[in-house]
Amino acid sequence: AQSVTQPDARVTVSEGASLQLRCKYSYSGTPYLFWYVQYPRQGLQLLLKYYSGDPVVQGVNGFEAEFSKSNSSFHLRKASVHWSDSAVYFCVLSHVNTGNYKYVFGAGTRLKVIA
Amino acid sequence: DPKIIQKPKYLVAVTGSEKILICEQYLGHNAMYWYRQSAKKPLEFMFSYSYQKLMDNQTASSRFQPQSSKKNHLDLQITALKPDDSATYFCASSQERGSGNTLYFGEGSRLIVV
Repeated sequence: AQSVTQPDARVTVSEGASLQLRCKYSYSGTPYLFWYVQYPRQGLQLLLKYYSGDPVVQGVNGFEAEFSKSNSSFHLRKASVHWSDSAVYFCVLSHVNTGNYKYVFGAGTRLKVIA
Repeated sequence: DPKIIQKPKYLVAVTGSEKILICEQYLGHNAMYWYRQSAKKPLEFMFSYSYQKLMDNQTASSRFQPQSSKKNHLDLQITALKPDDSATYFCASSQERGSGNTLYFGEGSRLIVV
């Protein structure tokens, strides 16, 4: 079955430090992959999206993600985090299964940026 | 300005009562969805609609009934409310129903059942 695993439920980093949030997926085909961010008391917002081409995809606010088919991963990175990046980040897999289109969400990683 | 409007933002309901959550999207999208987020399950897919037609239903309980009166509306009626229904309900939309379409989310309706 298709699945998305975000192994880190919580991550704490210092402001200005680099960040990597991990995402592993399980899907036999070529998936659409997304990263979404959810700020407190808000809905989810798209950070970036990948389907094909350059495995490193750029997103908003300095975020990027790297797709690895061999590792079944889609890790999110940022070179230097800001306190405003504190939020919950979701990795999402989109695919079609028996005619139904599915979005499979990871459990989310709660990022806390400290001074 | 928010492009997906959900009403109400917060509501408290009594066990056994009925509530309707409103969702309107002004993105011109043809597909709309309901998701639920609670402490127990991070984000749970409930329904998808395409051109006002129910396409997928992953909600086991018939107490949850989506209603689409207009192309850009997808309301959610919940009957016989239970405390376990307490959650934030998110409406989302995409240009079309299909893999790779970006989902756009509303800000959610937070429901507390007492």
